[in-house]
Amino acid sequence: SQTIHQWPATLVQPVGSPLSLECTVEGTSNPNLYWYRQAAGRGLQLLFYSVGIGQISSEVPQNLSASRPQDRQFILSSKKLLLSDSGFYLCAWSAPGVEQFFGPGTRLTVL
Amino acid sequence: ELKVEQNPLFLSMQEGKNYTIYCNYSTTSDRLYWYRQDPGKSLESLFVLLSNGAVKQEGRLMASLDTKARLSTLHITAAVHDLSATYFCAVATGANSKLTFGKGITLSVRP
Repeated sequence: SQTIHQWPATLVQPVGSPLSLECTVEGTSNPNLYWYRQAAGRGLQLLFYSVGIGQISSEVPQNLSASRPQDRQFILSSKKLLLSDSGFYLCAWSAPGVEQFFGPGTRLTVL
Repeated sequence: ELKVEQNPLFLSMQEGKNYTIYCNYSTTSDRLYWYRQDPGKSLESLFVLLSNGAVKQEGRLMASLDTKARLSTLHITAAVHDLSATYFCAVATGANSKLTFGKGITLSVRP
């Protein structure tokens, strides 16, 4: 069966510090991968998605970036965090055209 | 731009009664998903609706899709406390399964 992991689970960072969040998927090959952010406990905003190694599509302009160095690894990064980057970050995977399955999430607080 | 609307944002339900919540969307799609989110947790997939007239049932929840009306309904039968959560609908567009989420409806079941 497939599983998706995210770490860390929680993170408190000062404004201006760098960020690296990691997501890995087990039990499948060549998944589509997604990063979402959920602010203030409400709707989800798609940040990035990837259909293959090194292929990243950005959905919104921001100071975040994503990379996919391996087939089942997806990384979300920032060089300098802003207060507005606080939120709940969710990674998801899917087979093409099929429902997305979400990881446990990382709660980021920027102070 | 695809818009997904869920109303109301919060619904207080009385235990034992039936309720229906709605999700409507602005452009053509034949794939709609319902997710559940408990406070502080990630999203759990509830239903996958892939065609016009699709109906899925799980326990006290039943979801349906009308692609011509661009509307999905989630019917709750005899509400119980365990159903208290936030319910999101999401509409898929494109071959890459990008999802656009509604803002979610928070259901609270009271005795």
